[in-house]
Amino acid sequence: RKEVEQDPGPFNVPEGATVAFNCTYSNSASQSFFWYRQDCRKEPKLLMSVYSSGNEDGRFTAQLNRASQYISLLIRDSKLSDSATYLCVPYTGGGNKLTFGTGTQLKVEL
Amino acid sequence: DAGITQSPRHKVTETGTPVTLRCHQTENHRYMYWYRQDPGHGLRLIHYSYGVKDTDKGEVSDGYSVSRSKTEDFLLTLESATSSQTSVYFCAISESGVEDPGANVLTFGAGSRLTVL
Repeated sequence: RKEVEQDPGPFNVPEGATVAFNCTYSNSASQSFFWYRQDCRKEPKLLMSVYSSGNEDGRFTAQLNRASQYISLLIRDSKLSDSATYLCVPYTGGGNKLTFGTGTQLKVEL
Repeated sequence: DAGITQSPRHKVTETGTPVTLRCHQTENHRYMYWYRQDPGHGLRLIHYSYGVKDTDKGEVSDGYSVSRSKTEDFLLTLESATSSQTSVYFCAISESGVEDPGANVLTFGAGSRLTVL
């Protein structure tokens, strides 16, 4: 099993929709998580950090299910500007130990 | 935005030639990283540095070397470029290596797109 698995998508949703995608991880020692967004041909940028069971930041909510070892990202009221690839990154200790998922592509359409 | 710049941003070279990519930061962060990103693989760590002249290997270090003579600069060298090293290279920085997730949030440079013919 890969350390981090994400559905590559693309998820095509209309503007205003709610969309959620999951990230499964294999290392049960992962205590915290990062979600990065990456626009096409750009660098990844931190979207959200998750240090406990979840986190909410405006339209974005992350929920962690430790029993099933997955973390989800929910985006409400999708905007065209949300179109990007979302990378899941479990944290097990140390910046040199981050394992990046391959990302889930989201396309928000009119 | 964090002060982290990469150069060159684009480079086309031939197999067997040496290539050096530069990462420069103005944040005085202790940790610096070099990643490569390829379709289907996500970001993979090549080398990282935890201080001046202190470096270590990452997941995909074969064929690459690094140097860090100053806090602000981290160089990635391909001694003899191969076509398999065609990729997008990202430099990243983080504040610290302590066991604190918040200190290990990575900030990335804009990337260097390398094509080896």
